[in-house]
Amino acid sequence: DAGVIQSPRHEVTEMGQEVTLRCKPISGHDYLFWYRQTMMRGLELLIYFNNNVPIDDSGMPEDRFSAKMPNASFSTLKIQPSEPRDSAVYFCASSSTPRGTWDEQYFGPGTRLTVT
Amino acid sequence: SQKIEQNSEALNIQEGKTATLTCNYTNYSPAYLQWYRQDPGRGPVFLLLIRENEKEKRKERLKVTFDTTLKQSLFHITASQPADSATYLCALNNQGGKLIFGQGTELSVKP
Repeated sequence: DAGVIQSPRHEVTEMGQEVTLRCKPISGHDYLFWYRQTMMRGLELLIYFNNNVPIDDSGMPEDRFSAKMPNASFSTLKIQPSEPRDSAVYFCASSSTPRGTWDEQYFGPGTRLTVT
Repeated sequence: SQKIEQNSEALNIQEGKTATLTCNYTNYSPAYLQWYRQDPGRGPVFLLLIRENEKEKRKERLKVTFDTTLKQSLFHITASQPADSATYLCALNNQGGKLIFGQGTELSVKP
């Protein structure tokens, strides 16, 4: 398996523009997570899905952020409009629960977002 | 308030020595705790998971302990090598599948 795939790897955009980050989880995994990492705040969970359904979006900073998972192999995180404080590395991760308990998460390589 | 704290300063050790990293938490009751390794420009990579009813877990040169009374986990790398240099993150579960990560400790192993 290729692991978790994210695109783009780098994104530079101007304030006010819409940004869409993409993620393909590992095949067969039923959980998908979106994280944001900054020097100041570390790695923060934004939202996670189980079987394509959003379970907890309490980490989404504000209404400018939205996430979707239209099918088991694709998810998007959208920021509209983007602001300089959104600059960070965004990670997607997936995991499975074969024994009904939590297992390790597999992270993608991340998308480095810079909003100028 | 809820906190997860790891050694804030970088840890510098000599090759061959044992590296010990600390993870302390406050006002959480995690069912399990995980350790990840993160290299610059890459996503975290899972290393070990330890459950609340386990005192210790080992994997090759890695050892993790979990003391729910002290609210602390220790992560040990024995016979450390320069290739072990990275940032190590601890994470505990909070409310089901949510993982809460510490800020990480940067480890540097000098030859």
